[in-house]
Amino acid sequence: SAVISQKPSRDICQRGTSLTIQCQVDSQVTMMFWYRQQPGQSLTLIATANQGSEATYESGFVIDKFPISRPNLTFSTLTVSNMSPEDSSIYLCSVWGQGGRVNGYTFGSGTRLTVV
Amino acid sequence: DAKTTQPPSMDCAEGRAANLPCNHSTISGNEYVYWYRQIHSQGPQYIIHGLKNNETNEMASLIITEDRKSSTLILPHATLRDTAVYYCIVRSMEYGNKLVFGAGTILRVKS
Repeated sequence: SAVISQKPSRDICQRGTSLTIQCQVDSQVTMMFWYRQQPGQSLTLIATANQGSEATYESGFVIDKFPISRPNLTFSTLTVSNMSPEDSSIYLCSVWGQGGRVNGYTFGSGTRLTVV
Repeated sequence: DAKTTQPPSMDCAEGRAANLPCNHSTISGNEYVYWYRQIHSQGPQYIIHGLKNNETNEMASLIITEDRKSSTLILPHATLRDTAVYYCIVRSMEYGNKLVFGAGTILRVKS
């Protein structure tokens, strides 16, 4: 199955700053997604990262707060902007594909973000 | 997306079968049932999925009722490492292949 590398694995950031999380896949994938998991909660979908165009955001998430890039079929970034303590969560990248080394959904191990 | 209902938690004795139920009474004909699990501090791990037939792989079995309104994930011989949150998810084709997670079931395997 596909291998997803997420960087950083964890970070502690000051409020008001921004953090960019990278997601690199070792093979081309059809779709890439970004999720947030707040402490003790389930996963919430933030957006679908679209190659070469603007991401598709779920209700409650906006581009100004969570800008996303996807320049090619193997890489995406999520930026958490103007952070507050409420943004402390685990952020996960997920990919979907059919055939080859990517069949179905695969998740990265996540980025654990703490905002102080 | 069809909504799923799972018990919030379950306990299972080590070595015994763990049977995790899921209700998805509003599932439509082209929606698959997926099961994932999340072990503490890790990303979700795929377990199994099915449309209407029962499925089995090296990890688990998935039993889907004939009317498709409910399913059961079976871990045949649970071990302590199977302690995790288990998510039953119905994937809607019309939403572009995204997975929407519910609250899941916390399975505690005890020795």
